[in-house]
Amino acid sequence: KAGVTQTPRYLIKTRGQQVTLSCSPISGHRSVSWYQQTPGQGLQFLFEYFSETQRNKGNFPGRFSGRQFSNSRSEMNVSTLELGDSALYLCASSLGTGQAGGEQFFGPGTRLTVL
Amino acid sequence: AQSVSQHNHHVILSEAASLELGCNYSYGGTVNLFWYVQYPGQHLQLLLKYFSGDPLVKGIKGFEAEFIKSKFSFNLRKPSVQWSDTAEYFCAVYNTNAGKSTFGDGTTLTVKP
Repeated sequence: KAGVTQTPRYLIKTRGQQVTLSCSPISGHRSVSWYQQTPGQGLQFLFEYFSETQRNKGNFPGRFSGRQFSNSRSEMNVSTLELGDSALYLCASSLGTGQAGGEQFFGPGTRLTVL
Repeated sequence: AQSVSQHNHHVILSEAASLELGCNYSYGGTVNLFWYVQYPGQHLQLLLKYFSGDPLVKGIKGFEAEFIKSKFSFNLRKPSVQWSDTAEYFCAVYNTNAGKSTFGDGTTLTVKP
């Protein structure tokens, strides 16, 4: 079956702008998690959506927001971009429940560069 | 709050050396445990997983990990590494009650040919 897809793959923005990233999970997966990956900070958890509801949230400012649609596709929005937001943003999908709920399948990521 | 600690940030080995990467977590409840690997330029992918049963689990490419509940540890091992094992390795813990995953900071493994 098709894997996790993320669009766009690359994005260049300037400070102060906003950006929306999209993630399509594996068919049948109801959970979508978002992570920020940077060389110095590793994988930082942003938030997780399960059945259109935010179920868990990391320690990021309110400029970072997300949503999930009824077809489980998810979007992440970052407003008022800062230079420090430059990173690889990863989306991961999982069943979200049951014993196998924690097994995550990652997309290729969106490389965001803020100038 | 649950947390995951990976003991080594960067490990450098020669080919054929043995590997052990440490992972400890802090959560007393039921957990599922994972190791993920990210090869250069590739997606993060699952290396192996533990849900229940035999605490020694085997994954792809000759990797294995042992869950020691009393030590809250899930260390990754490989008896003989290859140059192609050069990658970043992440340990992750899934809290089955809260439905929450926590990742460690990752360990970069460099294998010299």
